[in-house]
Amino acid sequence: ETGVTQSPTHLIKTRGQQVTLRCSSQSGHNTVSWYQQALGQGPQFIFQYYREEENGRGNFPPRFSGLQFPNYSSELNVNALELDDSALYLCASSPADSYTGELFFGEGSRLTVL
Amino acid sequence: SQKIEQNSEALNIQEGKTATLTCNYTNYSPAYLQWYRQDPGRGPVFLLLIRENEKEKRKERLKVTFDTTLKQSLFHITASQPADSATYLCALNMDSNYQLIWGAGTKLIIKP
Repeated sequence: ETGVTQSPTHLIKTRGQQVTLRCSSQSGHNTVSWYQQALGQGPQFIFQYYREEENGRGNFPPRFSGLQFPNYSSELNVNALELDDSALYLCASSPADSYTGELFFGEGSRLTVL
Repeated sequence: SQKIEQNSEALNIQEGKTATLTCNYTNYSPAYLQWYRQDPGRGPVFLLLIRENEKEKRKERLKVTFDTTLKQSLFHITASQPADSATYLCALNMDSNYQLIWGAGTKLIIKP
């Protein structure tokens, strides 16, 4: 069974640029959530995708957008990068039959905005 | 206002002792409370989940309690080992929605 994988693991961008982060969910999981984790803080919910539709969104501006594909993999896109976007971006998947919210996380993509 | 509080200072425990971490919340009514472990630069790893109608849950050396009156969860690691050193995060589920609301975590250091 393959776990959640994310790419790239690290990247550096400059202010105003755009970035795309990718996530492959764990086998059998049809729900993907994205979280932003600043240094020393807990993860903050960005949004969730279920069967290719956005199924909940946190308090993030529209320049944070996403996609989920038929194979349940997902992308997070961030436009017009700001310095405060520097963080660890975590993707998590959930099994189709889980109603308890247990999440399976990838190792994250560390984004640095200069 | 709504908030989740965990010990902000690192917790230093001698190997073999029991480590106890606290998660307090205000103005939430969670259906579930979860505990995760996070190592530096890695994603969180699920440890235990406890439901609002459960008082206690155990898994090997781990024990979680949940007091909805006090709005508090305690996370215990018995017979602690240096390999237990990590940051431990608590997270709340309001309902069956997968969105979790997280505390900032407590760094646990087990000294040999």
